Amino acid sequence: QVQLQESGPGPVKPSQTLSLTCTVSGASISSGGYSWSWVRQHPGKGLEWIGYIYNTGTTYYNPSLKSRVTMSVDTSKNQFSLRLSFVTAADTAVYFCARVHNDCLDHWGRGTLVTVSS
Amino acid sequence: DIQMTQSPSSLSASVGDRVTVTCRASQSIADYLHWYQQKPGKAPNLLIYSASSLQSGVPSRFSGSGFGTDFTLSISSLQPEDVATYFCQQGYSRPLTFGGGTKVEIK
Repeated sequence: QVQLQESGPGPVKPSQTLSLTCTVSGASISSGGYSWSWVRQHPGKGLEWIGYIYNTGTTYYNPSLKSRVTMSVDTSKNQFSLRLSFVTAADTAVYFCARVHNDCLDHWGRGTLVTVSS
Repeated sequence: DIQMTQSPSSLSASVGDRVTVTCRASQSIADYLHWYQQKPGKAPNLLIYSASSLQSGVPSRFSGSGFGTDFTLSISSLQPEDVATYFCQQGYSRPLTFGGGTKVEIK
């Protein structure tokens, strides 16, 4: 079955760049028909869509984060990635990767907590 | 951005009760409305897509309805394993947006 797994280097200091990778198994990013998304959830709060990327590299970002977000895809490794620059404590959250089909998120990773702290 | 408003923010019901959660969009979104269940410490799980279609593997006690701006998620007979937070999400336009969530507990 389709599985997604987030990975990243751990805590991030303020003003630095948060980098996460999502590894997909059970489905091929290069086959098309889906987009690949990042969503975050602040502790005890709701869900915030960050953006998504297609296998072609086409991206759509949430305007609220657009100036700081970059997504990329590596079809050879069946991975896609998120970079969020100039982070602050307000970026502390659980970050999920997910597969998007017809604008609903049908498979999710387990999520990874990213803490921004000096 | 399309704002999604859920009500109530939390509810408590007995096992076997029928439970209804409401989601309202700030503008018409046709049937581009999806529902997720999130248990503590877990990722959200897709329950209902396109307002009323049950995702594969989801128990039939879950159902969804609505079109335009007003939508409902119903659980016909609440079970202990349904304790979770439920979110709606619109897929009509970008940015994709979620409701604030409804926490369902057992009385």
